[in-house]
Amino acid sequence: EAGVAQSPRYKIIEKRQSVAFWCNPISGHATLYWYQQILGQGPKLLIQFQNNGVVDDSQLPKDRFSAERLKGVDSTLKIQPAKLEDSAVYLCASRRGGGGRSSYNEQFFGPGTRLTVL
Amino acid sequence: GQNIDQPTEMTATEGAIVQINCTYQTSGFNGLFWYQQHAGEAPTFLSYNVLDGLEEKGRFSSFLSRSKGYSYLLLKELQMKDSASYLCASLNRDDKIIFGKGTRLHILP
Repeated sequence: EAGVAQSPRYKIIEKRQSVAFWCNPISGHATLYWYQQILGQGPKLLIQFQNNGVVDDSQLPKDRFSAERLKGVDSTLKIQPAKLEDSAVYLCASRRGGGGRSSYNEQFFGPGTRLTVL
Repeated sequence: GQNIDQPTEMTATEGAIVQINCTYQTSGFNGLFWYQQHAGEAPTFLSYNVLDGLEEKGRFSSFLSRSKGYSYLLLKELQMKDSASYLCASLNRDDKIIFGKGTRLHILP
């Protein structure tokens, strides 16, 4: 099966500019996650979707970050305006969920988008 | 809430065994993941434990104690390619997955 797709792979912008990232999860995976990973740290959960509804966005800086998952499939994450500290890798992951088997719980990651804010 | 603790860095020798520990506090705990992440790459799944005990998968094993909020990842017969970060992550009943800061493992020849 195809994996999680993300684009772009790399993006360089100046502070105060806007940027958007796109994610296409594995087909049939109900849960989609966006993580921010700063160099040398673990992934930090920004937002979690179940189908097209938001389950958790407690760590999303809502004054500048927004995300949507229309139709419960693809998702976009936007930053407007960007700050220097937003330089990080943005990882999208999806999971079938539903409990039980290990294979249903495994979370699959896309390749990530490396954002550099100058 | 969810909180994960794991050592920042560890060093081991090629061919040896290393154990990476992880402690967690998770409301509505529903499982513990281990991921491997090479520099510049996305995390890849290693294991998922939801019941107490040891699960072995080749050179890698993962252990969970729910009563102690404790897990470890055991890597045997270390190879140079095992140099990576190892991420511990907890799953709760709302399907929320929270990661620790990761343990950077350095393998010496």
